[in-house]
Amino acid sequence: GAVVSQHPSRVICKSGTSVKIECRSLDFQATTMFWYRQFPKKSLMLMATSNEGSKATYEQGVEKDKFLINHASLTLSTLTVTSAHPEDSSFYICSAGQTLHGYTFGSGTRLTVV
Amino acid sequence: ELKVEQNPLFLSMQEGKNYTIYCNYSTTSDRLYWYRQDPGKSLESLFVLLSNGAVKQEGRLMASLDTKARLSTLHITAAVHDLSATYFCAVVTGNQFYFGTGTSLTVIP
Repeated sequence: GAVVSQHPSRVICKSGTSVKIECRSLDFQATTMFWYRQFPKKSLMLMATSNEGSKATYEQGVEKDKFLINHASLTLSTLTVTSAHPEDSSFYICSAGQTLHGYTFGSGTRLTVV
Repeated sequence: ELKVEQNPLFLSMQEGKNYTIYCNYSTTSDRLYWYRQDPGKSLESLFVLLSNGAVKQEGRLMASLDTKARLSTLHITAAVHDLSATYFCAVVTGNQFYFGTGTSLTVIP
């Protein structure tokens, strides 16, 4: 089945620094990947749709300059949290897949900004 | 914007009992997914339902879809402790996913 790898699984960074999260489709090509954010005991909130070779589409209220998305190849999308603040601490999850076969989620990244 | 509501939000049930989780959505959808999430983990795909009347079963879980009523159900039969987790439905139109609020299930021995 489709496998999506997300790295790192946990990261702690200082306020003001940037953090990059990678999402890779291991055994299939993904022209589209999705980035979600999840607060504790809450549902997933779609942040942006990452499109290979073009700009990401951001959901309303998501700062595109803060959450930089790059989808440079058919198997890799990255989310960079720039100038991180404690309120950016959250669980970030990517997903990729093919419409009729469902979407697979990455293992998630727990970001803690101190 | 498509809205997806799940109920109940929290469910505590005894082992061996049956229960149903409901997922209502507000507008026409292409397909519906059910996912399981364990604490601190990502989502695990359970079912994808593509058409009206679709029913899928895996072990003690059975999911169904009524597109006319805009309703999907996840039925739990003879619950066991291992089913304790949070369950999400997600409705898809085009490529857009809309997640339900989640149902936190605790199965008590």
